Amino acid sequence: DTAVSQTPKYLVTQMGNDKSIKCEQNLGHDTMYWYKQDSKKFLKIMFSYNNKELIINETVPNRFSPKSPDKAHLNLHINSLELGDSAVYFCASSHGTPYSNQPQHFGDGTRLSIL
Amino acid sequence: AQSVTQLGSHVSVSEGALVLLRCNYSSSVPPYLFWYVQYPNQGLQLLLKYTSAATLVKGINGFEAEFKKSETSFHLTKPSAHMSDAAEYFCALNTGGFKTIFGAGTRLFVKA
Repeated sequence: DTAVSQTPKYLVTQMGNDKSIKCEQNLGHDTMYWYKQDSKKFLKIMFSYNNKELIINETVPNRFSPKSPDKAHLNLHINSLELGDSAVYFCASSHGTPYSNQPQHFGDGTRLSIL
Repeated sequence: AQSVTQLGSHVSVSEGALVLLRCNYSSSVPPYLFWYVQYPNQGLQLLLKYTSAATLVKGINGFEAEFKKSETSFHLTKPSAHMSDAAEYFCALNTGGFKTIFGAGTRLFVKA
């Protein structure tokens, strides 16, 4: 009974391709996030949605486009993949209030490798 | 500016020894602080959180952390390390807005 699930778990593809990662949460949370974790384990916020509205949009190339069809889903589409996009991408969710002691719940990550 | 600093990217302890992972923060408002653990090939899991109710916070797996405002610290400890504690540990800070700031992580090694 996975709380935050991401698909696919592994993604190996060629440079220049377009790919999507899907995320679903069954926790009833209203805020969802995408993070990028590099090879040194540094975790960087990319996007966040609250009630389907984009609320955090960090300095991310516009090749990355998030989409939230409803509060339980947040997808990430990446165009024209580059070598530097190789990383682990994590989806997370939480109860969303601006100043919050609510922790985030993470999926197991999608390991993206660009050949 | 808000920030989180974890001192030591790697910490190595012997099984049964004390675990101490250090976290210092900078915040202009009362902070909410968290410790997360990441096991290999998994996402982050919450260990414990500070929410101003008590300065000593107990978490899962025998971990605890103490909030010290005067030192702007939130160090994580465990009296006796177990092999299964080997993982990456992240300190995190929320000071408003929807963004949580994560530290760079500390990798804990446990020697038999």
